Amino acid sequence: SAVISQKPSRDICQRGTSLTIQCQVDSQVTMMFWYRQQPGQSLTLIATANQGSEATYESGFVIDKFPISRPNLTFSTLTVSNMSPEDSSIYLCSVERHHQETQYFGPGTRLLVL
Amino acid sequence: AQKITQTQPGMFVQEKEAVTLDCTYDTSDPSYGLFWYKQPSSGEMIFLIYQGSYDQQNATEGRYSLNFQKARKSANLVISASQLGDSAMYFCAMREGKDYKLSFGAGTTVTVRA
Repeated sequence: SAVISQKPSRDICQRGTSLTIQCQVDSQVTMMFWYRQQPGQSLTLIATANQGSEATYESGFVIDKFPISRPNLTFSTLTVSNMSPEDSSIYLCSVERHHQETQYFGPGTRLLVL
Repeated sequence: AQKITQTQPGMFVQEKEAVTLDCTYDTSDPSYGLFWYKQPSSGEMIFLIYQGSYDQQNATEGRYSLNFQKARKSANLVISASQLGDSAMYFCAMREGKDYKLSFGAGTTVTVRA
């Protein structure tokens, strides 16, 4: 497995603002992903963070709302832009050391938008 | 159509007893992988166990075992000798073929009673 950290672990934000969430892995990984888990719901994949190129977004998610960076093989950020209360969720990053292996998750970021 | 179905929203189990969590899946791809994750109230997603579609034997990891019935398309998780720390939400997930995406079920909440 991999040791994955996320910052911040939780935050309370005002609507209309933006928050950047960081995901750091203790070793190089091939794949990094960002998920959203709305209250009482299951996980939904937002996008795959691609190293050195634009992220691949899933249906219903757009780059303007959720810009993602991945400057190297151990680090990625997800920004939640122009937040509204509907963005209140747990945001989780996950990694695969090599393609098609088990995905391991970070501890998550709990976001509350007022 | 739902790819992963977990029909038990919540379950209670007595400490030291075993509990079975149901998971059925839907795929036409002969190559797929099935995963179980545990999510305590802290929000992190903890990988528990993996079963590949071509694996001949049911997967086991300590107190966790996966009852894989391919013809019935079910992958039930069995937790033996339940402990208070097993109280959490449990998610079944599937990855199909060469796809990177995990499809998650709705989850089952397990509460272990002393």
